[in-house]
Formats: sequence, structure tokens, C-alpha cells
Amino acid sequence: AQKVTQAQTEISVVEKEDVTLDCVYETRDTTYYLFWYKQPPSGELVFLIRRNSFDEQNEISGRYSWNFQKSTSSFNFTITASQVVDSAVYFCALSPFMDSSYKLIFGSGTRLLVRP
Amino acid sequence: EAGVTQFPSHSVIEKGQTVTLRCDPISGHDNLYWYRRVMGKEIKFLLHFVKESKQDESGMPNNRFLAERTGGTYSTLKVQPAELEDSGVYFCASSQDRDTPHNEQFFGPGTRLTVL
Repeated sequence: AQKVTQAQTEISVVEKEDVTLDCVYETRDTTYYLFWYKQPPSGELVFLIRRNSFDEQNEISGRYSWNFQKSTSSFNFTITASQVVDSAVYFCALSPFMDSSYKLIFGSGTRLLVRP
Repeated sequence: EAGVTQFPSHSVIEKGQTVTLRCDPISGHDNLYWYRRVMGKEIKFLLHFVKESKQDESGMPNNRFLAERTGGTYSTLKVQPAELEDSGVYFCASSQDRDTPHNEQFFGPGTRLTVL
């Protein structure tokens, strides 16, 4: 089965707190891509990161960091020193390499609310 | 550069009526995708065009849904006749040439469809 699970439906934090959004995936493919997208109140999905299954290095981009662990099939996303502008719905997605349509398989999303 | 645009942003129709959603991808993007998010669940793939050809339509729920991409530019998604369970947000996304697999997909703001 190809599946993405985001068990946290909603998270609420106070500004400047660190927060981690969990993503667990299932795939029978050995090669695949993982993505995170942000959906702000305006509605469109904004690309944050793409990671292929052979690159397990953690990535940091400003206040954002991603922890990819193949052993636990997880691709977690951490926001350090959260800000009100980080409030959004965040989606994790999987794209199996052998899928010729390159479609994204999404999790159900985690709504993050950052309170001032 | 203009992003992916979708029209209308909202549509409210009665059960049995017909609705046509439109998507204009980023200029030059060969790949065009339709996705749907129903009732706060995960975003699900509907179909994928490469230029004007349907590459994968495995996610289309039934034959009440018809997608076209005339001339390989904009795409339309028609629902006829609409049923209550078709309510949701319909997203369109585009990405560059098909020879570069699993590129970032750029999403539009979505069309919120409500069937009464």
C-alpha cells in the first residue's frame, strides 16, 4: 500500500515555541520522493521541500528543518521559534518513483495554529 | 511569472446540475494534475495530463467526471450530474517537462464546490 499518515490533526502553540509535525509513510517502492507543502489561509499549496529516498541527510532552511528516517519511514518537519505567520495547514506527500504519473499521495494534513 | 489559476474560486450548485471547473497552468508546463480534498480529509489525486494527453486517470471517481485539456494549455473538469459527495475543494497543479521526474508541483488556490 502507498499511504501517508499525519496523525496530528491540529496543533496549537504559543509564538516562539518549537513545534514538530509528524509524517509517517508506507510504500513498497525502494525509490520514492517525499514532499512537504504549506497551505496558508489563501488556499494554494506552497512547496516547502522535496527529498528523495536515497538522501537521508537532514535539511535545514532558516527556521525549518526536516528529519528523514528511512528506518522508521518518517519524514518529520520542525519549525523552530514559531511565528504567527506559520499558522497554516501542512501536508506531507509521497511520490513513488515507479509511478509514471508522478502523482502525489498526500496525508490528511496538520493544522498548525501559532498564538501570539 | 503567473502562477496556476483556477476558476471559479467557489461554486454552489444543486444536486443534478452540471459544473465546469477551469485550470490555467503555468505557461510552458507540460504536466497538469487535478486533485480533490473532501471534508477535511487527505488530498486525493484525480488525473494527470501530459500536454493534451491523459497520462493517468486512475483517480477519477466515476464517469460523471470528465476532464479535458484542449491544445495542451488550460484544462477543464466537468461534473455532470453533480452529487452531494462531490462537494470539496478541487486543486489543479502543474509541473515542468515530463523528462524530469517528480518535479515540484505548483498548485492553484483551488475551487471550492458545494453541492446542495
